[in-house]
Amino acid sequence: AQSVTQLDSQVPVFEEAPVELRCNYSSSVSVYLFWYVQYPNQGLQLLLKYLSGSTLVKGINGFEAEFNKSQTSFHLRKPSVHISDTAEYFCAVSAPKGAQKLVFGQGTRLTINP
Amino acid sequence: SQTIHQWPATLVQPVGSPLSLECTVEGTSNPNLYWYRQAAGRGLQLLFYSVGIGQISSEVPQNLSASRPQDRQFILSSKKLLLSDSGFYLCAWSSGGLSNQPQHFGDGTRLSIL
Repeated sequence: AQSVTQLDSQVPVFEEAPVELRCNYSSSVSVYLFWYVQYPNQGLQLLLKYLSGSTLVKGINGFEAEFNKSQTSFHLRKPSVHISDTAEYFCAVSAPKGAQKLVFGQGTRLTINP
Repeated sequence: SQTIHQWPATLVQPVGSPLSLECTVEGTSNPNLYWYRQAAGRGLQLLFYSVGIGQISSEVPQNLSASRPQDRQFILSSKKLLLSDSGFYLCAWSSGGLSNQPQHFGDGTRLSIL
């Protein structure tokens, strides 16, 4: 079974500052990794995914994440945030076999202050 | 392009009443379909998933049931709602047979039980 831990429930950041949202996972098998964003009262939108290959993956809206197998981490970063990045961010993993069942972290609420 | 529709967007129901939430997907065939619940301040919990018509897998024992009467239709039901059924319900789809494909989410239904 897999589990995901998002280490920060809330992250306040000033506009144009860099941000890192932390995600650690636990699994006995290799996994696929995803970051989703949820704006208020909406569904989730895929930011980026890691399946294999290069450990640095780039996504939409200027976000990127780095897969670190030894530390079982998949932290999300953005060099300069905007007010519109205010949202909840979810890290998720799935096992590579069978129907894709995502296991989500508890989410990190990112608040951008002017 | 593919789209996913969920309705209603909000619903207020008394305890003990029945429930039916509907989700439909357009622009793809034989998708995997999923129902999640998001309780306030918590992550997403997978409730049911389906890899084909009439095939339903339940992830957690509860007061809810799911059905897939057509290829692109997924219904979440209850005969008698409990207070604990309150939450934000999300439907999602992914490409069938491919576990590395991301899930795409609907805009959700906010269910309040009185």
